[in-house]
Amino acid sequence: DAGVIQSPRHEVTEMGQEVTLRCKPISGHDYLFWYRQTMMRGLELLIYFNNNVPIDDSGMPEDRFSAKMPNASFSTLKIQPSEPRDSAVYFCASSRRLAGGQDEQFFGPGTRLTVL
Amino acid sequence: AQSVTQPDIHITVSEGASLELRCNYSYGATPYLFWYVQSPGQGLQLLLKYFSGDTLVQGIKGFEAEFKRSQSSFNLRKPSVHWSDAAEYFCAVGERYSSASKIIFGSGTRLSIRP
Repeated sequence: DAGVIQSPRHEVTEMGQEVTLRCKPISGHDYLFWYRQTMMRGLELLIYFNNNVPIDDSGMPEDRFSAKMPNASFSTLKIQPSEPRDSAVYFCASSRRLAGGQDEQFFGPGTRLTVL
Repeated sequence: AQSVTQPDIHITVSEGASLELRCNYSYGATPYLFWYVQSPGQGLQLLLKYFSGDTLVQGIKGFEAEFKRSQSSFNLRKPSVHWSDAAEYFCAVGERYSSASKIIFGSGTRLSIRP
């Protein structure tokens, strides 16, 4: 398996522009997670999906952020409009559920976003 | 609510020396426990995990961790570190037998290796 795939790996954009980050989870995994990592705030869970349905979006910072999962093999995280404080590394992770709880999460390589 | 504490923000050890990274969790029952490593510019990679059974867990790259219920700890150890072990290490906890599916990550410990 190729693992979790994220694109682009790097994104540089100007304030006010729309940014779309993409993720392909591992085949057979029914959970998908979006995280943001910064020096100041560490690793933050933004939202996660189960069987393509958003379960918990309490970590989404504001309405400028939205996430979708139209099918089991693709998810997007969109920021519109982007702001300099959105600059961070965004990770996608996927996992499966075991009988007694959640299995490990497999992380993608991340997208480094810079908003000028 | 469950939580994870990694009390050491940054640790420096000499190459060849032993290592122990601390992790304490707060959870009412026996949790699922994980240690992840993040090398610079990379995603997080699982080192090891504890679900049940033997409380001493062996992982990749020569790491091990011991679950101590009485101390609510899951410390990571390695008998002899290599320069390539320099990275950020994250402890994480998941809820057993819960409908919640997220795992909670600690704030991380950055490991530097002294030549």
